[in-house]
Amino acid sequence: DTEVTQTPKHLVMGMTNKKSLKCEQHMGHRAMYWYKQKAKKPPELMFVYSYEKLSINESVPSRFSPECPNSSLLNLHLHALQPEDSALYLCASSQEGGLDGETQYFGPGTRLLVL
Amino acid sequence: AQSVTQLGSHVSVSEGALVLLRCNYSSSVPPYLFWYVQYPNQGLQLLLKYTTGATLVKGINGFEAEFKKSETSFHLTKPSAHMSDAAEYFCAVSLGGGKLIFGQGTELSVKP
Repeated sequence: DTEVTQTPKHLVMGMTNKKSLKCEQHMGHRAMYWYKQKAKKPPELMFVYSYEKLSINESVPSRFSPECPNSSLLNLHLHALQPEDSALYLCASSQEGGLDGETQYFGPGTRLLVL
Repeated sequence: AQSVTQLGSHVSVSEGALVLLRCNYSSSVPPYLFWYVQYPNQGLQLLLKYTTGATLVKGINGFEAEFKKSETSFHLTKPSAHMSDAAEYFCAVSLGGGKLIFGQGTELSVKP
């Protein structure tokens, strides 16, 4: 089963709200990723967790806060977002700890609208 | 630095026609290359990937891609397009450490 699940599917939030996105995989994968995708653009990497440790932060603003409570779960905490943060947020996972050439399996995404 | 370039942001074909989506890469070392497809309002699905070995890679849904080192290309083809192939296609190269660099994407339209 190569399934990555994400909740919620859609989220509307105001600029003063705090919300969280959730990602889950049960494939025993040891690396998990957050991407941001704007309309008609490719995904942009935000964070990589390898063996539950943050290994890459692509200079993402602190209003985005990732968390990896265990090897199957990845959260993205959102606080004081801006309208330009509206996008599709994709989660992915891969088998090893982010080795070169690993296949990343993507979830369906959470579509976020910031008002 | 490694990168990928997809030629053509939009490709339109008739149903039953050949699909050719172009991808060129820039890499100083043998690359790991991927093709992903994204249907509207969905995540990315792996079509195929090249690591080492055979240069002709077969993927899902009848797609295949050929790795040509001399041309630094990894074009995606399908002999006969189906309406269900309409989607956004992304070529990507692995940078290591879990980083994937995506091309800008090619939107494929299929006309009946």
